[in-house]
Amino acid sequence: AQSVTQLDSQVPVFEEAPVELRCNYSSSVSVYLFWYVQYPNQGLQLLLKYLSGSTLVKGINGFEAEFNKSQTSFHLRKPSVHISDTAEYFCAVNVNTGNQFYFGTGTSLTVIP
Amino acid sequence: DSGVTQTPKHLITATGQRVTLRCSPRSGDLSVYWYQQSLDQGLQFLIQYYNGEERAKGNILERFSAQQFPDLHSELNLSSLELGDSALYFCASSARDGYEQYFGPGTRLTVT
Repeated sequence: AQSVTQLDSQVPVFEEAPVELRCNYSSSVSVYLFWYVQYPNQGLQLLLKYLSGSTLVKGINGFEAEFNKSQTSFHLRKPSVHISDTAEYFCAVNVNTGNQFYFGTGTSLTVIP
Repeated sequence: DSGVTQTPKHLITATGQRVTLRCSPRSGDLSVYWYQQSLDQGLQFLIQYYNGEERAKGNILERFSAQQFPDLHSELNLSSLELGDSALYFCASSARDGYEQYFGPGTRLTVT
């Protein structure tokens, strides 16, 4: 069975500081990887995705993530956060021979002025 | 705007009742997914349909059922509602299996 682990349930960070949200997955086969963001009272919005190719993926709002196959990780980073980045962030995995997404439990990012 | 629409936005009903949530996928998307999001359970995958056929099942209770119609919209039916069914229900669609999913704004169900 697949699983996705987001180790940090809450991450407070000061405005303009860098941030890293961690995501690890368990799979022995190839996967597609995604990060979603959920703003308060809204649905999930795709931030970025890794399907193949370059392991460094750039997304919207200045976020990027790096796929590390040996460590089965897909950590999300932003060099300088804004107040508007305060939201819940979900990592998701899809085994590319299957049809079910596995979501992590989410990381609540709070940007402090 | 993801292009996925869900109705209604809010629903308040009593225990024991039955409700139907509706989802229209993005134009051209054949896959529809249903999720339940609650504070204690997080985001839980319920069920997926692809072009009218059930494709995958997750943590969906027997009291819940879904279907996808020929025009590709989908409905999630929740019956014999319990207080614990209060949650946000999201629909998502994707063009193909494994591709990124686009989420609707959700339906907030409150069971009293």
